[in-house]
Amino acid sequence: GQNIDQPTEMTATEGAIVQINCTYQTSGFNGLFWYQQHAGEAPTFLSYNVLDGLEEKGRFSSFLSRSKGYSYLLLKELQMKDSASYLCAVSPSSNTGKLIFGQGTTLQVKP
Amino acid sequence: GAVVSQHPSRVICKSGTSVKIECRSLDFQATTMFWYRQFPKQSLMLMATSNEGSKATYEQGVEKDKFLINHASLTLSTLTVTSAHPEDSSFYICSAKATDGSGANVLTFGAGSRLTVL
Repeated sequence: GQNIDQPTEMTATEGAIVQINCTYQTSGFNGLFWYQQHAGEAPTFLSYNVLDGLEEKGRFSSFLSRSKGYSYLLLKELQMKDSASYLCAVSPSSNTGKLIFGQGTTLQVKP
Repeated sequence: GAVVSQHPSRVICKSGTSVKIECRSLDFQATTMFWYRQFPKQSLMLMATSNEGSKATYEQGVEKDKFLINHASLTLSTLTVTSAHPEDSSFYICSAKATDGSGANVLTFGAGSRLTVL
């Protein structure tokens, strides 16, 4: 079956660094995505990993280890506006383009 | 970047009526679009894959006669919730596959449609 696990909730302080982990077990693997979703809004794309290693995009970085079925999203210099849900999603196939989503991690940034 | 437009953003209907939601890809063609449903505090669940010019592919447990999908052009897919019931109340989100700067196929999401069935 398909299984993607993330912590349900996390809390961090403004200006700090937070790491959101994601583990996955899927029938195939064609890349892992991180999306940000504010309450009542559509998800927005943050990052994509298909090879092992770290991808950095400004304050956000994402890491992938395919052998371990593991990824994390690292958020630096946290801002209040970073309070949102962060969704880990796996593309199991290159043919369909569909994504399988984890339950999402709700991050609350406190002053 | 790629933009997906979804309409309406909110709809309230009576039980037993049908509701149509439109999803348009702006400035790019999408032969494939995806329809997701999201219940409160839950993640996105894929309902179906909409294929331009052919029948949609539904995920297990999704009733194809209840959730009608039409993808008549390369920029438009519609989802019709037929004979809606209160348990169909949810956030429906469409997405289309676009290509980011690195060439990766990235799903771009519409703004979502919140359906409330009374």
